[in-house]
Amino acid sequence: SQQGEEDPQALSIQEGENATMNCSYKTSINNLQWYRQNSGRGLVHLILIRSNEREKHSGRLRVTLDTSKKSSSLLITASRAADTASYFCATDAGGTSYGKLTFGQGTILTVHP
Amino acid sequence: EAGVAQSPRYKIIEKRQSVAFWCNPISGHATLYWYQQILGQGPKLLIQFQNNGVVDDSQLPKDRFSAERLKGVDSTLKIQPAKLEDSAVYLCASSPGLAGGVGMAGELFFGEGSRLTVL
Repeated sequence: SQQGEEDPQALSIQEGENATMNCSYKTSINNLQWYRQNSGRGLVHLILIRSNEREKHSGRLRVTLDTSKKSSSLLITASRAADTASYFCATDAGGTSYGKLTFGQGTILTVHP
Repeated sequence: EAGVAQSPRYKIIEKRQSVAFWCNPISGHATLYWYQQILGQGPKLLIQFQNNGVVDDSQLPKDRFSAERLKGVDSTLKIQPAKLEDSAVYLCASSPGLAGGVGMAGELFFGEGSRLTVL
């Protein structure tokens, strides 16, 4: 079953604008990760945020985590055409899941030059 | 360092035939995953190995799918017999192990995937 639900399913913006994607999940987690997938390629890890963290930055990426609302957001600032891809959140539920990552359905981001 | 290698990249078979996919993880990575990604969906975990032992295969359709990881390195995923609904990309991923010493998933490194079309 898919633990994370991304919103929106698709997002279309102009180069230079910011893109925000949201992820909601159902159970408690150890950490939450974001991945990018270019068309026809494998997934690439972007950022990991632990359950005791609220915000994390990496270059043009900013991730927030609200464990009380069981939600996370990924912000890409000053987007570029090369950011066009699908973005997935993935959760590590911990406990007996023992390192298992469960992925959401993804957000398709299109950045127009 | 070399990434996760998968082969073949593409495979077309007819239903009821068999197919096998191969994965070579990053050297030294203890944990290996097979995910199934159907078009338009997120990856779904099929099986997770820790070294050469199975950690989780709860979502593997064991009547037709099998996987092994001999000597804790390479892995093969087999489908026999294939059904139309098995058409998907099969992604292999590896990670150095469990982060933080408490069974926490760390970053996964993915291969390019093997795209299966069942006719």
